[in-house]
Amino acid sequence: GPKVLQIPSHQIIDMGQMVTLNCDPVSNHLYFYWYKQILGQQMEFLVNFYNGKVMEKSKLFKDQFSVERPDGSYFTLKIQPTALEDSAVYFCASSFGQGYAEQFFGPGTRLTVL
Amino acid sequence: GDSVTQTEGPVTVSESESLIINCTYSATSIAYPNLFWYVRYPGEGLQLLLKVITAGQKGSSRGFEATYNKETTSFHLQKASVQESDSAVYYCALGDGNTGNYKYVFGAGTRLKVIA
Repeated sequence: GPKVLQIPSHQIIDMGQMVTLNCDPVSNHLYFYWYKQILGQQMEFLVNFYNGKVMEKSKLFKDQFSVERPDGSYFTLKIQPTALEDSAVYFCASSFGQGYAEQFFGPGTRLTVL
Repeated sequence: GDSVTQTEGPVTVSESESLIINCTYSATSIAYPNLFWYVRYPGEGLQLLLKVITAGQKGSSRGFEATYNKETTSFHLQKASVQESDSAVYYCALGDGNTGNYKYVFGAGTRLKVIA
């Protein structure tokens, strides 16, 4: 079936540096999402994005976070600057529609902030 | 707030035995919750297993089934006879369409190991 890819699978970075997580969504999808899962905890919604704009974000989506989809290709999550509490697995998802349309998830990027 | 609680794993079941993974939800801010089961196989992203939009309905896929019970706020996942290939992590999720911008509330996931 359709696949969402995430690059890289694991990123190690020093606290205070910038990091960009890349997501290659399903080609005809219009809605894009990021979720965050801290080790041993639930996966939690961060943000969703449509037509070049953030539609909704949770309180986990700090001011240091930003998302964009330049050139209509990769959907990116940028964290600048990173903090220790940003260490987690970040999952990207995409869907063709909203409402209860199926979201397709990537395998995740494990971010370790030292 | 809104939350999902599911069976704490890992759960180990012998092949051909039956399975139930419990899921209960609290949807205090959602007028019409939608319920989902997602599954993650090793090295892959979450995949939709089944979904039920309307209370009282049952969803089924690949031998799994779950009934949306509004009275008990439950959406337990069941399978009559598991196979080794069912070994994965299963996530119950609550759909929140309040704002029209859809997002999920996930349970913590239940790791299932099926042994021969």
